[in-house]
Amino acid sequence: AQKITQTQPGMFVQEKEAVTLDCTYDTSDPSYGLFWYKQPSSGEMIFLIYQGSYDQQNATEGRYSLNFQKARKSANLVISASQLGDSAMYFCAMREGPSNYQLIWGAGTKLIIKP
Amino acid sequence: EPEVTQTPSHQVTQMGQEVILRCVPISNHLYFYWYRQILGQKVEFLVSFYNNEISEKSEIFDDQFSVERPDGSNFTLKIRSTKLEDSAMYFCASGGPGGYGYTFGSGTRLTVV
Repeated sequence: AQKITQTQPGMFVQEKEAVTLDCTYDTSDPSYGLFWYKQPSSGEMIFLIYQGSYDQQNATEGRYSLNFQKARKSANLVISASQLGDSAMYFCAMREGPSNYQLIWGAGTKLIIKP
Repeated sequence: EPEVTQTPSHQVTQMGQEVILRCVPISNHLYFYWYRQILGQKVEFLVSFYNNEISEKSEIFDDQFSVERPDGSNFTLKIRSTKLEDSAMYFCASGGPGGYGYTFGSGTRLTVV
């Protein structure tokens, strides 16, 4: 079974609109972390936001917020007021267990912002 | 802001040749990782390294692969005899304790011909 599922292979969004990228996860470990990364066409992997399984509040970082619904095992990324520079691949990833463990990755969502 | 540095950014090599990919992690980080991403596919974990030894490795990380931290600052991935299917983007990452802050390098794009 997939540990991380990103159901949207691609999305087109109008500039300045908000966008939600879906991510569901599967784990039986009570301690885990969820990450979102942005990969522009140049290839580097840019960290966006992190949510720990015990965090009470949803994580926010500037225009990025994470809609964490623990019971549903979902960790959707919300980008407010999208910009042309937001066009990229977006990956959801999960760390199960202790802090030094590997990340398990979703297949990614290709986001294209239209002017 | 501290960053993870990878060299080279691109490498083309003949099949069967050895390659060494280099990484300089963030100086106060203790955990080091290599991941790879075949073009158009998801990112895959290769290996993690802590306290001068491998702490975890995937099925991909077979005897053709090795890692080393030769001088306390560099972290290298060696592929002994490259195959065509080793062509991928290879990412180095480092992390501190606490489960937060995996920082990735910009990647090395390896092409085996």
